[in-house]
Amino acid sequence: TQLLEQSPQFLSIQEGENLTVYCNSSSVFSSLQWYRQEPGEGPVLLVTVVTGGEVKKLKRLTFQFGDARKDSSLHITAAQPGDTGLYLCAGAHYQLIWGAGTKLIIKP
Amino acid sequence: KAGVTQTPRYLIKTRGQQVTLSCSPISGHRSVSWYQQTPGQGLQFLFEYFSETQRNKGNFPGRFSGRQFSNSRSEMNVSTLELGDSALYLCASSLVQHTDTQYFGPGTRLTVL
Repeated sequence: TQLLEQSPQFLSIQEGENLTVYCNSSSVFSSLQWYRQEPGEGPVLLVTVVTGGEVKKLKRLTFQFGDARKDSSLHITAAQPGDTGLYLCAGAHYQLIWGAGTKLIIKP
Repeated sequence: KAGVTQTPRYLIKTRGQQVTLSCSPISGHRSVSWYQQTPGQGLQFLFEYFSETQRNKGNFPGRFSGRQFSNSRSEMNVSTLELGDSALYLCASSLVQHTDTQYFGPGTRLTVL
């Protein structure tokens, strides 16, 4: 069974702090997707990383795909209350393998 | 382009009943996937349909079933409801492959009493 371990499960920090969310697996993925879900809505894609070692930036969010394409990280710089939500990673193999999610709360 | 729509948004049922949820994908998307989301288990994949055929299936009992119509619209059915079936049921559409970007609907919140 393929697993994608996501950590931490929960994170509550003050506005302006930095944070990193990790997704790790023993399996190799062809790509990895990051989504954000806000209350009452479905997840929305933030970014897809495809190449080992790839780094993508989306404003204050930096996404990295591991060299071996088994792990990925999401780093948020100077977090803002608008970043609050559930962050999900999903690795693409024959199916999408989903992490358990990181519930992020940014306090003003 | 209209997004993924799901109906109904909220549903309350009692144990033993059955329920049917509906999903209309983004126009042109041929793959429709269904997920169950609960606080304890996270996002769990139920099944995926493509061209009216179930192409992938998660690890759920046979009480959970689905179908896809020729216009790509999809329904999922849960029979003999249990308390543990209370969850947010999300539908997502993608262009062709299940591993393509998933475009999610807002979900149907099912409560089983």
